[in-house]
Amino acid sequence: GQSLEQPSEVTAVEGAIVQINCTYQTSGFYGLSWYQQHDGGAPTFLSYNGLDGLEETGRFSSFLSRSDSYGYLLLQELQMKDSASYFCARNNAGNMLTFGGGTRLMVKP
Amino acid sequence: DAGVTQSPTHLIKTRGQQVTLRCSPKSGHDTVSWYQQALGQGPQFIFQYYEEEERQRGNFPDRFSGHQFPNYSSELNVNALLLGDSALYLCASSLRAGVSYEQYFGPGTRLTVT
Repeated sequence: GQSLEQPSEVTAVEGAIVQINCTYQTSGFYGLSWYQQHDGGAPTFLSYNGLDGLEETGRFSSFLSRSDSYGYLLLQELQMKDSASYFCARNNAGNMLTFGGGTRLMVKP
Repeated sequence: DAGVTQSPTHLIKTRGQQVTLRCSPKSGHDTVSWYQQALGQGPQFIFQYYEEEERQRGNFPDRFSGHQFPNYSSELNVNALLLGDSALYLCASSLRAGVSYEQYFGPGTRLTVT
């Protein structure tokens, strides 16, 4: 199977830390990517994990555990502009992406 | 450096009609993928073009077809439009032989079928 599961909504306050979890089915799995999409905008790439462990890019970090078929995106020092939808996506052969349903993050003051 | 561009931005069509959407990839990219995104959902992979050939295809009917030109730009054609084809159509470009897994998405074409 190809499906990915992630929470539909998360709410947090400015300055806080939030973790968005993603579980996936393993068939044909190459790696896990994360994309951010603001309302009316294009998805933009945040990070990629091909191997187990943590990848850090500024305020954002992403983690992958292949043995658990699980990953997460960690957003630190939340800002209002981080309010958006966040998608985990499986990287398949040929760099084709299978997306999860998305997590809508609302950051409150 | 121009990013991925798509045209038109919005389109309204009637059920049964045909539509063509266009995409120009990011400069230097040779691979174009098309995705359909229904409201409130994640993008779904339609197909991918490289070297002017369809290389991979998602679970979409033959009404969805495409083309890639020698300059790497691409078209998505949808025939016999259904109400359920109303969605945001996204084009993403990448470099086939690149070491980066990042795909660059265009702003999309919002298609409404009435």
